[in-house]
Amino acid sequence: DAGVTQSPTHLIKTRGQHVTLRCSPISGHKSVSWYQQVLGQGPQFIFQYYEKEERGRGNFPDRFSARQFPNYSSELNVNALLLGDSALYLCASSVGTSGSWMETQYFGPGTRLLVL
Amino acid sequence: AQSVAQPEDQVNVAEGNPLTVKCTYSVSGNPYLFWYVQYPNRGLQFLLKYITGDNLVKGSYGFEAEFNKSQTSFHLKKPSALVSDSALYFCAVRDPFLNDYKLSFGAGTTVTVRA
Repeated sequence: DAGVTQSPTHLIKTRGQHVTLRCSPISGHKSVSWYQQVLGQGPQFIFQYYEKEERGRGNFPDRFSARQFPNYSSELNVNALLLGDSALYLCASSVGTSGSWMETQYFGPGTRLLVL
Repeated sequence: AQSVAQPEDQVNVAEGNPLTVKCTYSVSGNPYLFWYVQYPNRGLQFLLKYITGDNLVKGSYGFEAEFNKSQTSFHLKKPSALVSDSALYFCAVRDPFLNDYKLSFGAGTTVTVRA
């Protein structure tokens, strides 16, 4: 079975631009989470979506937004890019049973974003 | 707030020797704890998790971890390390008491296994 897939793998943008990152979860998984991993740090939680509804949001500015589609794939959008947004953006999927705190999140390979 | 600490930035061991990667946690309720490994230019791979029950959890690739509630620790171990175990290891925690689905990660520990 295919794992979590993300596109693109790499991206270069300039300050002020907008970017859209895409994620396809493991087949049968209904929940998608997004994380930002800055070089030398652990991943930081951005969003979680379940059944197209936002279920959690991390401490990120409103420039960051996301959505989940009926096929459970997801997009992460970042507006007005800053140099500090340069990072590896990870998508993770889980089965998404409502209220299940025990679920394992399975991560994709990430999209590496460089903002110049 | 939930958090984890990985007190060692780097761990160096010889192949065949035991490997231990340390993790301590802070949560309000009972923790759900996870270990992930990241190879260069790759995403995170799940190794194991502790939810409840037996304090010794066995996972992928010969790794295991011991949950210690009194010391609030969840150290990752492997009895005999391989060169291929060289990677970046992350401990993560989820606190269901917070009604929050997010995983909080430590800063990571770089493991180098020398031949």
